[in-house]
Amino acid sequence: GEDVEQSLFLSVREGDSSVINCTYTDSSSTYLYWYKQEPGAGLQLLTYIFSNMDMKQDQRLTVLLNKKDKHLSLRIADTQTGDSAIYFCAESHNNNDMRFGAGTRLTVKP
Amino acid sequence: GAVVSQHPSRVICKSGTSVKIECRSLDFQATTMFWYRQFPKQSLMLMATSNEGSKATYEQGVEKDKFLINHASLTLSTLTVTSAHPEDSSFYICSASERGRNTDTQYFGPGTRLTVL
Repeated sequence: GEDVEQSLFLSVREGDSSVINCTYTDSSSTYLYWYKQEPGAGLQLLTYIFSNMDMKQDQRLTVLLNKKDKHLSLRIADTQTGDSAIYFCAESHNNNDMRFGAGTRLTVKP
Repeated sequence: GAVVSQHPSRVICKSGTSVKIECRSLDFQATTMFWYRQFPKQSLMLMATSNEGSKATYEQGVEKDKFLINHASLTLSTLTVTSAHPEDSSFYICSASERGRNTDTQYFGPGTRLTVL
């Protein structure tokens, strides 16, 4: 079946940039999402990008999409301790069935 | 990788009827399963957490008598929406954590779209 993959762990120092990567296999994906999950909470939608875009920026967040390679990344500039969480990549076709990665745990060290 | 399935993928029902959604871990034992609800292009709201063999823990504001969760085995959890109403129409997603592994790693099912007429 279709798959979404991301590495499970990332550790950065406060003030550095974090880059979380994701790959997917469904070439018909139309929406790609990044969610943030803090301990004990639901998944908060951070941002999403249409598949006909290659970049989207929102304050400290930059999403890059390489549709040819089916590669999505989330860059967090000036990472803060409050950014420590699990980040999930997800994709869907016309906002129907969604497929999630297993999540990347971001640890920000002071 | 770990695979989680949901059945059905889509369901349409009449108001007042009950709908059962199944969540299965296909190739691993899931100690804990989570149920989420999502509205279009919005965050996933955690509804409840269920551990095999014990009662589910519901999040604040989620009616446990309306959303019945059963986690009878290490590979199956069910969510039953009782006496469904149009406002229950949503996208319901389950996830599962693998027994013996880091419980922070959740594997998500593909979701079930419920439409209540």
